[in-house]
Amino acid sequence: EIVLTQSPGTLSLSPGERATLSCRASQSVSSTNVAWYQQKPGQAPSLLIFGASRRATGIPDRFSGSRSGTDFSLTISRVEPEDFAVYYCQQYGTSPPYIFGQGTKLEIK
Amino acid sequence: EVKLVESGGGLVKPGGSLRLSCVAPGLTFSDFSMNWLRQAPGKGLEWVSSISRAGSYMYYTDSVEGRFTISRDNVKKSLYLQMNSLRAEDTAVYYCATNWGYDPFDAWGQGTLVTVSS
Repeated sequence: EIVLTQSPGTLSLSPGERATLSCRASQSVSSTNVAWYQQKPGQAPSLLIFGASRRATGIPDRFSGSRSGTDFSLTISRVEPEDFAVYYCQQYGTSPPYIFGQGTKLEIK
Repeated sequence: EVKLVESGGGLVKPGGSLRLSCVAPGLTFSDFSMNWLRQAPGKGLEWVSSISRAGSYMYYTDSVEGRFTISRDNVKKSLYLQMNSLRAEDTAVYYCATNWGYDPFDAWGQGTLVTVSS
């Protein structure tokens, strides 16, 4: 079973800075089969990125995703105040179980 | 915007049972696979169970296999999770979510809290 390891656990940045979140898979994952979710306090998660790099409907273009081998990244080009949240990566595309990373908290510095 | 509404959470003693429901009145419900996910207090996301569009295929995470049963009623546009033999470690907010086949979870409910405690 694939394990997704996210880093860092917490990322402290100021608004306007660039954020790079990492998600490493323990084994090869199809490039189309990683998604990223954002979860704000007290809210359900929402889909940001699918297919490693495709933005979900309505997601601003400051959010981007990329892949290099078994390493996946979520980048926020310039962090806005509303972007401070927890971010999860997820592997999908085959029958369950669906695997999530443990999350990265983006907090205000 | 797709709206999913969960209900049925609450406080239950260890060994007890609870039935969660999720209704999606504005959704073409039978087009979607449906799922339950959970999040223990202060913890990350965990997939719990999935059911295919017609209800023919059901999947469970190992820790709930044999204790939880997922089902759906496409006429009522409703998803259910029957939870038996509940344990303290089942304490979590339970979310229902939709997906196409094995795609990402593109719509989520607001969650319902299940607390297992004596």
